Amino acid sequence: GQQVMQIPQYQHVQEGEDFTTYCNSSTTLSNIQWYKQRPGGHPVFLIQLVKSGEVKKQKRLTFQFGEAKKNSSLHITATQTTDVGTYFCAATNYQLIWGAGTKLIIKP
Amino acid sequence: SQTIHQWPATLVQPVGSPLSLECTVEGTSNPNLYWYRQAAGRGLQLLFYSVGIGQISSEVPQNLSASRPQDRQFILSSKKLLLSDSGFYLCAWSGRGQWTEAFFGQGTRLTVV
Repeated sequence: GQQVMQIPQYQHVQEGEDFTTYCNSSTTLSNIQWYKQRPGGHPVFLIQLVKSGEVKKQKRLTFQFGEAKKNSSLHITATQTTDVGTYFCAATNYQLIWGAGTKLIIKP
Repeated sequence: SQTIHQWPATLVQPVGSPLSLECTVEGTSNPNLYWYRQAAGRGLQLLFYSVGIGQISSEVPQNLSASRPQDRQFILSSKKLLLSDSGFYLCAWSGRGQWTEAFFGQGTRLTVV
């Protein structure tokens, strides 16, 4: 079945550094969604990308959908402690197909 | 507005005991409903999904079952829990079509001892 590969599994950054997570699929995606799960919490929807080459921004977060609609990325500029959590991508194919998530860890 | 309720928040159960987790959705009709399990530090594993009353699809053969007795009620059950059933269980709903996002309940942290 369709799979979405998400990397890296973990990313350790100093506060103020940037963070990026990537999702890739071998097949063309109809759309892709991004979610954030805070430690101990539940996933919360951030955004949905639909169009080829689409770029959307939410404050320090930039979401991109590849031209071929086979990959997507989430980039956080100048991370803050409030950004800590796990970021998931999910592609829809009648049901959501989830990436494994990237855990953002801020070094003390 | 739509809300999703999931309870209990935490549960400690002995091996071999039964399980019943309940999830209800308010403010929407005919939602798609989902049960996920998340092991510590891991991703989301889809267990069951339902597109309507009495319609359940199982993604992973295991010790669990699900039921949807009413349009906005989804129940996860087990007759006899195993140690490996421990985890974080999440209920979610989404609207119809492939363009809608998923909304999650607060989750149930189950520890089987």
